[in-house]
Amino acid sequence: AQKVTQAQTEISVVEKEDVTLDCVYETRDTTYYLFWYKQPPSGELVFLIRRNSFDEQNEISGRYSWNFQKSTSSFNFTITASQVVDSAVYFCALYRRGRRALTFGSGTRLQVQP
Amino acid sequence: EAGVTQFPSHSVIEKGQTVTLRCDPISGHDNLYWYRRVMGKEIKFLLHFVKESKQDESGMPNNRFLAERTGGTYSTLKVQPAELEDSGVYFCASSQDSAGDGGDTQYFGPGTRLTVL
Repeated sequence: AQKVTQAQTEISVVEKEDVTLDCVYETRDTTYYLFWYKQPPSGELVFLIRRNSFDEQNEISGRYSWNFQKSTSSFNFTITASQVVDSAVYFCALYRRGRRALTFGSGTRLQVQP
Repeated sequence: EAGVTQFPSHSVIEKGQTVTLRCDPISGHDNLYWYRRVMGKEIKFLLHFVKESKQDESGMPNNRFLAERTGGTYSTLKVQPAELEDSGVYFCASSQDSAGDGGDTQYFGPGTRLTVL
């Protein structure tokens, strides 16, 4: 069985602070895919990143960075110099090759105060 | 390029009534998925179409839910009769197996918020 845990239910930071959202996953598969999605107040789920299990390189995209560590089954997401527009619910998700049902974590609500 | 669209954005119905949700995937995407999030819980997979065929419907909660994708374009999800516990947000997503490795990215629509009174 697969499982994704986002232990942080809600995080509140002040603008310009750095913040890290944690994601820990469980799977028995050797080939799998990890994702992060953002859900702003408008409600849609916005794709942020996709990572396969063979690619452990960290990724940086502007103020966003992701740290994938297979040894600890974690795929953490860091926002540098947070902005009010980053306020949203962030979901981590997983699926294994061959079955495309995403398993989602429960989400982390990020509030960035001005 | 237009994203995934869903209609309606909100629906309020009474217990026992029927509701039909519609999803239009991104043009050219063969894969279409339905998910839902009931209050306070995780987003859960319902089913997956490849073109007009149901590839995986293991997440469908019971036979009150019927999904179709005639012609392999848009999809509908009908709930008949609706129960109180069906309230939640229903998301549709689509993907294209462009990577060729089964790890395609699913792009989501804005969701339909269903309230059953």
